[in-house]
Amino acid sequence: SQQGEEDPQALSIQEGENATMNCSYKTSINNLQWYRQNSGRGLVHLILIRSNEREKHSGRLRVTLDTSKKSSSLLITASRAADTASYFCATDRTGANSKLTFGKGITLSVRP
Amino acid sequence: DTGVSQNPRHKITKRGQNVTFRCDPISEHNRLYWYRQTLGQGPEFLTYFQNEAQLEKSRLLSDRFSAERPKGSFSTLEIQRTEQGDSAMYLCASSRTGGGKTQYFGPGTRLLVL
Repeated sequence: SQQGEEDPQALSIQEGENATMNCSYKTSINNLQWYRQNSGRGLVHLILIRSNEREKHSGRLRVTLDTSKKSSSLLITASRAADTASYFCATDRTGANSKLTFGKGITLSVRP
Repeated sequence: DTGVSQNPRHKITKRGQNVTFRCDPISEHNRLYWYRQTLGQGPEFLTYFQNEAQLEKSRLLSDRFSAERPKGSFSTLEIQRTEQGDSAMYLCASSRTGGGKTQYFGPGTRLLVL
């Protein structure tokens, strides 16, 4: 079963705009990770945020985590055509041996 | 850091045949995970190893599926008597031991069962 629910399911923006993607989950977690997947390829790790952290930055990425609302957001600033991909949030649930539970993903299209 | 590698990258087989996939994790990583991803869905956990011990298996892993990690290094995933419903991307990931460790994924093996 899939724990995470990403929102929106699909997002289309113009190059240079910011993209915001949201993820909600159901159970308590140790940490939450965001991954990117280009069509038909493996997953690339973007960022990990621990349950005791509220915000984290990495380059053009900003992730927030609200454990009281069981939700996270991923912001990509100044988007580029190369950011076009599917984005997944994955949670590492408490007591779950670090296995990841993924949402269905968000398809981001960045128009040049 | 050479990353996680998987072989083959693509496999086409006929229903009823057996297939075996291989995963080579990042060399210093103790943990190795297998996931399955179908079209339009996120990956779903299948099983994981800590060193050579298989510590957890998902209910998705039917009796036709078996995974091994004989020396705590590479792992194999075998599917016996394949069915069309087995068609999917099979992803392998590895990580260091301990909480909050990033899982690094390989490129996946795409299986098509005809």
